[in-house]
Amino acid sequence: SQTIHQWPATLVQPVGSPLSLECTVEGTSNPNLYWYRQAAGRGLQLLFYSVGIGQISSEVPQNLSASRPQDRQFILSSKKLLLSDSGFYLCAWMSGGGEQYFGPGTRLTVT
Amino acid sequence: DAKTTQPPSMDCAEGRAANLPCNHSTISGNEYVYWYRQIHSQGPQYIIHGLKNNETNEMASLIITEDRKSSTLILPHATLRDTAVYYCIVEGYGGATNKLIFGTGTLLAVQP
Repeated sequence: SQTIHQWPATLVQPVGSPLSLECTVEGTSNPNLYWYRQAAGRGLQLLFYSVGIGQISSEVPQNLSASRPQDRQFILSSKKLLLSDSGFYLCAWMSGGGEQYFGPGTRLTVT
Repeated sequence: DAKTTQPPSMDCAEGRAANLPCNHSTISGNEYVYWYRQIHSQGPQYIIHGLKNNETNEMASLIITEDRKSSTLILPHATLRDTAVYYCIVEGYGGATNKLIFGTGTLLAVQP
């Protein structure tokens, strides 16, 4: 069966510090991968998606970037965090039927 | 912008059926209706999806009207653990990407 992992689960970072969040998927090959963010009390916003290694599409211009160095690895990064980057970051993969399965998420607080 | 309209909140008694409506009057012929839910502090959970026929799985049933302009998610016997925000999403699936646009959803509160 397929499993999606995200780490860390929680993170507190100062403004201006770098960020690296990692997502890995097991039990499937060449999945479409997605990064979402949910600000406190708000809905989910799609940030990036990837259909293959090295292929990244950005949905919202912002202070973040994404990379996919391996088939089942998706990384979200920032060189300098802003207060507005705080939120709940979720990674997801897409199954053959079009439905998406989400990881447990990383709760980021920028102070 | 979300392509769907859902009531902001609903209540349901434990053990009764929960019927969550969704309007998607601008749905295109190749767009599917997906339902997800998000329990507090967790990632969204896929529930069910359909194109035009009614669908049922171990979690829920999805009823889509004949004109496909609205649908209803049915949880046949709601429990307290079903308390969550339920999202109805319309998206075309062409095998390439499936970009889900989450609206504000319906907060379902199951009452004991």
